[in-house]
This record gives sequence, C-alpha cells and structure tokens, in this order.
Amino acid sequence: GEDVEQSLFLSVREGDSSVINCTYTDSSSTYLYWYKQEPGAGLQLLTYIFSNMDMKQDQRLTVLLNKKDKHLSLRIADTQTGDSAIYFCAERAGGSYIPTFGRGTSLIVHP
Amino acid sequence: DGGITQSPKYLFRKEGQNVTLSCEQNLNHDAMYWYRQDPGQGLRLIYYSQIVNDFQKGDIAEGYSVSREKKESFPLTVTSAQKNPTAFYLCASSPQDSPLHFGNGTRLTVT
Repeated sequence: GEDVEQSLFLSVREGDSSVINCTYTDSSSTYLYWYKQEPGAGLQLLTYIFSNMDMKQDQRLTVLLNKKDKHLSLRIADTQTGDSAIYFCAERAGGSYIPTFGRGTSLIVHP
Repeated sequence: DGGITQSPKYLFRKEGQNVTLSCEQNLNHDAMYWYRQDPGQGLRLIYYSQIVNDFQKGDIAEGYSVSREKKESFPLTVTSAQKNPTAFYLCASSPQDSPLHFGNGTRLTVT
C-alpha cells in the first residue's frame, strides 16, 4: 500500500539551514506537498511540487524531488524560531482526491 | 475572507454522549474531509465527500457519522460507539485536483 515516511524530530540552531526528508512508495504519485502545523492550529500549505519537476524554490524554501529514489526534501534557509512547528509531507496520485500524509517532523529551533 | 471555519475550538463531553463538530467553508470547494490527529500518529482520514449528498468512509470511520446536505457544510458526529474519541479533529476542503486547505481544528475531550 501507499506509505509516506518522515523522521519524527529535527533540532537546528537559529540561522542554520534545516533539511526535512520524506520518502514515499507510490510510484504513481503526481503531487507532493509540504504542510506546516503550528501548535494548536490546522495545517498550512507551504509549497508543492509536481512529479515532473526536480526542484522548486520559494523565498527561504527549497523543495528537491528525486523521483528515482522516491525521496522529497524541504530545505529552510536561515531557520528562525518562528519556523518551529511540525512539517508534514504528503503525496497524491493524479485523479485521486485523497492525499497520503506522513506522520510529521517536529522542527525545534534553538538559539 | 475565504476560508474554513471549525467550531468550537475546544469541546468537552461526557462519555456516552454524541457530539457534533461543525465545519463550514466559503471557498466553493467541491470536496471536504475530516481527519483525526493523535500525538505521534499523524493524520488519519475519517470521512470524505466529493460532492453534495455523497460521502465515503475513510480509514477510521467506525463510531463517526457525517452529512453533506450543503456544499459549504460537512458536520461530523462523534457517537458514543467511538471508543477513544478524545483527539484533535481537522476539517479540510479542496477543489478537484488541488491541495487541501485546512481549518484550525477542534480539540475534543471526552471524560
């Protein structure tokens, strides 16, 4: 079945870059998403990438996709304390309404 | 402002009582979803609806019920049959073939 895997925790120093990794198993994945969840809140869509792309950059965020290895990463440059949150990776096959979510990676940013 | 409104933010109930969580969207999205979030378990799909007057069970539908009488509304009832109802509940909506947009969640506590 479909599966999306993420490590549960990542700790970084303020000002450093953060890299959050995700692997997925569904080879028919067409859309890959990154969401951010702050404490007590819903999920906020950060960025997404189509499976025919290798990279997408949006200000401090860089998404890299390795389709061969089914590996997705989110890089946050110059990480700030406000970036502390849970980050969810999700994938969805074309024509399907239902995305599959990973369990989320808790990013902790310390001074 | 367009968005998804979940109410109330916090809800407390006694064991054995049914409780209904509200979800309203003014984004004109066709599809709506209910997820349950427990610590360390990510998101689990309860029910989803692709169109008015139609809905499908997700991975953990037992003990829950929904209705979709209007495009903008998708209420979730947590029945007394749900064995572990205490959780954070997230509602989402999406147009066809697009990312999900989430509400801010309802935290339900049953004692």
